[in-house]
Amino acid sequence: QKEVEQNSGPLSVPEGAIASLNCTYSDRGSQSFFWYRQYSGKSPELIMSIYSNGDKEDGRFTAQLNKASQYVSLLIRDSQPSDSATYLCAVGGAGGTSYGKLTFGQGTILTVHP
Amino acid sequence: KAGVTQTPRYLIKTRGQQVTLSCSPISGHRSVSWYQQTPGQGLQFLFEYFSETQRNKGNFPGRFSGRQFSNSRSEMNVSTLELGDSALYLCASSFINSPVNYEQYFGPGTRLTVT
Repeated sequence: QKEVEQNSGPLSVPEGAIASLNCTYSDRGSQSFFWYRQYSGKSPELIMSIYSNGDKEDGRFTAQLNKASQYVSLLIRDSQPSDSATYLCAVGGAGGTSYGKLTFGQGTILTVHP
Repeated sequence: KAGVTQTPRYLIKTRGQQVTLSCSPISGHRSVSWYQQTPGQGLQFLFEYFSETQRNKGNFPGRFSGRQFSNSRSEMNVSTLELGDSALYLCASSFINSPVNYEQYFGPGTRLTVT
């Protein structure tokens, strides 16, 4: 079992729709959760971080965390063609062997078509 | 604030050679992590440095090494290059304001091609 798994893509949604990206993780000791966006040929860009159970909203983005289910998701409302990218889920621990280490999922390719 | 910078951006080396990549973190960030990104393996953690000390290391052979300087700038070195080392090497810096906050900000990466 992979440590961090994302829903297989690619995911294609029409402009204006809600895109839903999902991620599960295997380490129950995980403490921090991130979503990165990576455009083709570019480096990952941090778009959301979440540390506590529940929802966190930032503009059109909402991250949801459920530690009991070991599940984190990202919702993108009013999707725009400029949101088309690979979305990476990343999970961090707390201290010790987790120092500075994020474990990434394989990424979900999102395409928003006009 | 300026972002994370990495040099060089592109590099072509021959098998058996060695290479040194450089990373300058965001001002005030003392933690620097390095990752390797390939199409097959995705993003994999190499190591992390904080205050000139390596605190964590991923599952990579000893040919991969790094260091951090007193100004938080970091370098990574790969010796005896193999074809499989061709990848995008990314460095990320963090402020580390709590034991669990690892918001990492990535540099543009160095694209290494080994021929």
